[in-house]
Amino acid sequence: AQSVTQLGSHVSVSEGALVLLRCNYSSSVPPYLFWYVQYPNQGLQLLLKYTSAATLVKGINGFEAEFKKSETSFHLTKPSAHMSDAAEYFCAVSEGPGAGSYQLTFGKGTKLSVIP
Amino acid sequence: NAGVTQTPKFRVLKTGQSMTLLCAQDMNHEYMYWYRQDPGMGLRLIHYSVGEGTTAKGEVPDGYNVSRLKKQNFLLGLESAAPSQTSVYFCASSYSFGSNTGELFFGEGSRLTVL
Repeated sequence: AQSVTQLGSHVSVSEGALVLLRCNYSSSVPPYLFWYVQYPNQGLQLLLKYTSAATLVKGINGFEAEFKKSETSFHLTKPSAHMSDAAEYFCAVSEGPGAGSYQLTFGKGTKLSVIP
Repeated sequence: NAGVTQTPKFRVLKTGQSMTLLCAQDMNHEYMYWYRQDPGMGLRLIHYSVGEGTTAKGEVPDGYNVSRLKKQNFLLGLESAAPSQTSVYFCASSYSFGSNTGELFFGEGSRLTVL
């Protein structure tokens, strides 16, 4: 069974500081991994995804994430936070078609606050 | 191109009432999903469908029913609403895995309050 753990339900950073949101996963097969962002009163939108190609994945709005199999991690980073990055971020895992799975399992989310 | 559209966006029900949430997508996606989002719980899958006429249970299916009579529509029903079903409901859709990596496209959500 697949699962996701996001460390820290709330993270605060200063504008211009490094953003680091942590995600660890559990999967019985090589996973597909995703980060989604949710702005207030909106649905989720895809930030980036890992699908067994390059381990360092670049997404929209300057975010990137690195897949580390040995650590079962997929942490999200951005070098310099902007006020517009304030949102809730969700990590998700799928075992993909190889395992006959059609489902994404989401973490509980990390709310990012950016302090001016 | 509207993407995924959910109706209604807000609804207040009394305990025991029934209602249906409608999800429509115009991307010709095979797969559709209903999730609920509760504070501190993330998104939990209620039911999903891998094609017209087929549905399956997700993580939290009790108290809900679904139907996928047309490929573009996925309905979520509550037969007898309970306060525990107060939540924000999200519909999502995706291409089949054969042609995509499973990225989900989400609607804007339907906020349901059960008194």
